[in-house]
Amino acid sequence: DVKVTQSSRYLVKRTGEKVFLECVQDMDHENMFWYRQDPGLGLRLIYFSYDVKMKEKGDIPEGYSVSREKKERFSLILESASTNQTSMYLCASSITWTGIGYTFGSGTRLTVV
Amino acid sequence: QQPVQSPQAVILREGEDAVINCSSSKALYSVHWYRQKHGEAPVFLMILLKGGEQKGHEKISASFNEKKQQSSLYLTASQLSYSGTYFCGTEPEFTGTASKLTFGTGTRLQVTL
Repeated sequence: DVKVTQSSRYLVKRTGEKVFLECVQDMDHENMFWYRQDPGLGLRLIYFSYDVKMKEKGDIPEGYSVSREKKERFSLILESASTNQTSMYLCASSITWTGIGYTFGSGTRLTVV
Repeated sequence: QQPVQSPQAVILREGEDAVINCSSSKALYSVHWYRQKHGEAPVFLMILLKGGEQKGHEKISASFNEKKQQSSLYLTASQLSYSGTYFCGTEPEFTGTASKLTFGTGTRLQVTL
């Protein structure tokens, strides 16, 4: 089975801190995604990457950046955490052929205080 | 723009049927369906492609009306294990790279005895 592993299940950070969320997948998928999930808003795309060192903005990239130095690892960076970034963050991966769905990680619940 | 899902929530008795709808304002290439149980990652159920056939496995099936940009998920003879939040994810065009999905806000399904 494809595994997408997010490094932390729960995180508590202070306002203004730089926060790193890590995601690793073990099935050589080209594509990786970061979504945030909030009640009533569903899943919203922050950034995605279709190759090493390639990245594209999603629908809500403000306040975030990403890094993909290796194919299996996709990091989400909150440059200066704010309370409105308190959320569940989900990482996902997929292969390019459209016919196979995403595999999601278990999520990181980030609280910014 | 996020696709619109309806209903927002539904409660069923075991054995009853349900339909969840997903509607987009954009022409679609594909529609994905996912189920998320409480505290867990979303799990891929199926994908419907433009020009493709209705899909299904076990008692869960889906259809895709390309002209109306709508998809419906059908759950028949529901089981307790069907409880969870169902999300549709839509892809407006085939880019040849990442299938970048926009997710709806979800439909919460609860199956009771």
